[in-house]
Amino acid sequence: GQSLEQPSEVTAVEGAIVQINCTYQTSGFYGLSWYQQHDGGAPTFLSYNALDGLEETGRFSSFLSRSDSYGYLLLQELQMKDSASYFCAVGLNAGKSTFGDGTTLTVKP
Amino acid sequence: NAGVTQTPKFRVLKTGQSMTLLCAQDMNHEYMYWYRQDPGMGLRLIHYSVGEGTTAKGEVPDGYNVSRLKKQNFLLGLESAAPSQTSVYFCASSYVGTTYEQYFGPGTRLTVT
Repeated sequence: GQSLEQPSEVTAVEGAIVQINCTYQTSGFYGLSWYQQHDGGAPTFLSYNALDGLEETGRFSSFLSRSDSYGYLLLQELQMKDSASYFCAVGLNAGKSTFGDGTTLTVKP
Repeated sequence: NAGVTQTPKFRVLKTGQSMTLLCAQDMNHEYMYWYRQDPGMGLRLIHYSVGEGTTAKGEVPDGYNVSRLKKQNFLLGLESAAPSQTSVYFCASSYVGTTYEQYFGPGTRLTVT
């Protein structure tokens, strides 16, 4: 089976940097995705790492270490609108993904 | 482009009733998925499809059936609804070349009493 671990809650102040970690145990690993979901909304895709290293997209970066079965999402220059839930998801065969339970990020003024 | 759309947005069913949720996408994506999301939890894959006319089981398929008769549509059926199926249902789609970049619909909030 597959299992993913991520913190349930993180709190940070506006303008700060926050890192959300994700560790996984799985067979048939293809890569790690990250999604953002605002309350009552649909998940939206943020990033995907198939290879080790850091991927940067604007204020958001994502990192993967396949040897450590570990990844993280880094959010810089936090804004109030970044308050949301963030999910890591392991990519499996046939295009399937298994999602973690999510991390609720609260950004305070 | 509308992206991924889902109908209905809300529905209340009595135990034992049946219903079909419709998902449509206009991005010509090959892959389509049905997930359920319970409060405070992540998304769990119910069924998925890698192309027109094909379907496969995900993590939690029991009590659900699906069909993909047209590439742009993916239907999720509940034959005999149970209170345990109260959840928010999300449909998603992805392009075969970027499979793990999934686009989600707005969701259907289903309550079974």
